[in-house]
Amino acid sequence: DAGITQSPRYKITETGRQVTLMCHQTWSHSYMFWYRQDLGHGLRLIYYSAAADITDKGEVPDGYVVSRSKTENFPLTLESATRSQTSVYFCASTFVGGLNEQFFGPGTRLTVL
Amino acid sequence: DAKTTQPNSMESNEEEPVHLPCNHSTISGTDYIHWYRQLPSQGPEYVIHGLTSNVNNRMASLAIAEDRKSSTLILHRATLRDAAVYYCILSLRTSGSRLTFGEGTQLTVNP
Repeated sequence: DAGITQSPRYKITETGRQVTLMCHQTWSHSYMFWYRQDLGHGLRLIYYSAAADITDKGEVPDGYVVSRSKTENFPLTLESATRSQTSVYFCASTFVGGLNEQFFGPGTRLTVL
Repeated sequence: DAKTTQPNSMESNEEEPVHLPCNHSTISGTDYIHWYRQLPSQGPEYVIHGLTSNVNNRMASLAIAEDRKSSTLILHRATLRDAAVYYCILSLRTSGSRLTFGEGTQLTVNP
């Protein structure tokens, strides 16, 4: 399907486990972003990427790792999950030369027990 | 980053116009004013953006004060599907520029 997809949509894990959230976009957008949204709050930027193999930290990067070997994929890994990482995670993308309009995925709801 | 201030919540009646205010007194000359909205259980979606002049698109209108220290998102005829959190965000227009989301305004539309 065209667009931006995230998997899984829901995930429950335990403290200390490694978790990887997937993000895939079919538009060949150069820029991709990961945000987290805690209950009742706005989104906060975790990491972003300007192109394959180029990533940079956002506002709240601690405890997260990203990679981008292919333009269309931007996985987010929680190396050792903590309860404070319970949140909804959104992936977004945008293209070079546009209006900086970001296109968001449907989100992954992560619960860390 | 320049900050925006929005009311926490607003209510409207269906088929009536809605004016959502945003204050951004520390806006810089290169900041664009973006509006996104987030429907329940969904990711945010782009609504509109502008720099100095008022802007219209199929979803909404954006009215920008002459001194650019405030702006208003206008939904001309609210529908129940417009119930969402609306975010006013300042950002450079440059592709890939960061968006800093605040708490937004929760819009309730009454039937």
